[in-house]
Amino acid sequence: AQSVTQLGSHVSVSEGALVLLRCNYSSSVPPYLFWYVQYPNQGLQLLLKYTTGATLVKGINGFEAEFKKSETSFHLTKPSAHMSDAAEYFCAVSDQPGNQFYFGTGTSLTVIP
Amino acid sequence: GAVVSQHPSWVICKSGTSVKIECRSLDFQATTMFWYRQFPKQSLMLMATSNEGSKATYEQGVEKDKFLINHASLTLSTLTVTSAHPEDSSFYICSAPASGRAYEQYFGPGTRLTVT
Repeated sequence: AQSVTQLGSHVSVSEGALVLLRCNYSSSVPPYLFWYVQYPNQGLQLLLKYTTGATLVKGINGFEAEFKKSETSFHLTKPSAHMSDAAEYFCAVSDQPGNQFYFGTGTSLTVIP
Repeated sequence: GAVVSQHPSWVICKSGTSVKIECRSLDFQATTMFWYRQFPKQSLMLMATSNEGSKATYEQGVEKDKFLINHASLTLSTLTVTSAHPEDSSFYICSAPASGRAYEQYFGPGTRLTVT
């Protein structure tokens, strides 16, 4: 079975500061890993994904994440937070193509001016 | 890129009535679609897997007689909440595996259901 743990349900950073959102996963097979952002009352927007290949993946809006197999982690980072980054972020894992996604509990990011 | 739409985007209904939510893949075919439920301030939880031409597969704890799923075509899955109650109020999101990139899912924009 797959599972995802997001440490920190709420994260606050100052505008311009580093954003670090943590995600650890459990998977019995090589995972496919995803980060999504959700703004209030809206659906999910894909930020980035890891399937195979390079372990450092770059996504939209300046976000990136690194797949670390030894740590079973897929933390999301952004060098400089922007006010528009304030949203809910979800890490998700899938074990096989076409299978369901397993989501973490989400991290609410607040950006302080 | 591929798009998944949902209709309606929000709906308010009275307790005891039924509500149908549509999930459409707009420019690709989806033999499988997934229905998730998201309560306020919580994560997405899979409710059921919708399979075109066959019965849906429900997750443990999800009442199949209450949440009726029909996947009648390769581009449409419907979720009907029967005899809705206030505790069914939630954000319902569907997704479909991306054509040609099955490890990726396209998510619909969600449907906000409020039962009064």
